[in-house]
Amino acid sequence: AQRVTQPEKLLSVFKGAPVELKCNYSYSGSPELFWYVQYSRQRLQLLLRHISRESIKGFTADLNKGETSFHLKKPFAQEEDSAMYYCALSGPLKCSGGGADGLTFGKGTHLIIQP
Amino acid sequence: GAVVSQHPSRVICKSGTSVKIECRSLDFQATTMFWYRQFPKQSLMLMATSNEGSKATYEQGVEKDKFLINHASLTLSTLTVTSAHPEDSSFYICSAQMGAYEQYFGPGTRLTVT
Repeated sequence: AQRVTQPEKLLSVFKGAPVELKCNYSYSGSPELFWYVQYSRQRLQLLLRHISRESIKGFTADLNKGETSFHLKKPFAQEEDSAMYYCALSGPLKCSGGGADGLTFGKGTHLIIQP
Repeated sequence: GAVVSQHPSRVICKSGTSVKIECRSLDFQATTMFWYRQFPKQSLMLMATSNEGSKATYEQGVEKDKFLINHASLTLSTLTVTSAHPEDSSFYICSAQMGAYEQYFGPGTRLTVT
């Protein structure tokens, strides 16, 4: 069964400090991993996905298949980064029109950036 | 672009009644929409996958006769909670698939069954 684990319910760091939100997964195969963010009073939105290897708002995440991890990192935290962060997993990507898999979410980590 | 709306945002209904939740993709067409449920202090759980023009695919443990899903058009999917009970009280979120894999989420519907 596929599972996503975010061990920290709450993470508090000072502005300017590095941030790492942990995510480990369990999946028999090659999953697609995502990070979603929910700012206060806003809807859930995609932050980044591992296949695009992009950096969004200074955040990066590297898929480590050996450790089955997809930790989210940012070298210098900003106050506007305070939010709920969810790690999510989906089955392998399919060609356009080939259908889609729903997401399995971790329980989320509440990131608080202190001034 | 890529906006998904849900209606209603909040609903309170009495035990035994049914409630319909709408999910609309406002500026794009979505052949696939997903329905999630989030209980307090728990993570989002996928309930079902809704494909336009075909029957929904339900996750294990989700009663298809209780949670009726209709995906009548490329911009609308509905979730009807039939004969609702207090244990159905939850936060229901839909998402609409755009392209190969990107999902856009609605703002969610808070259902309270008294």
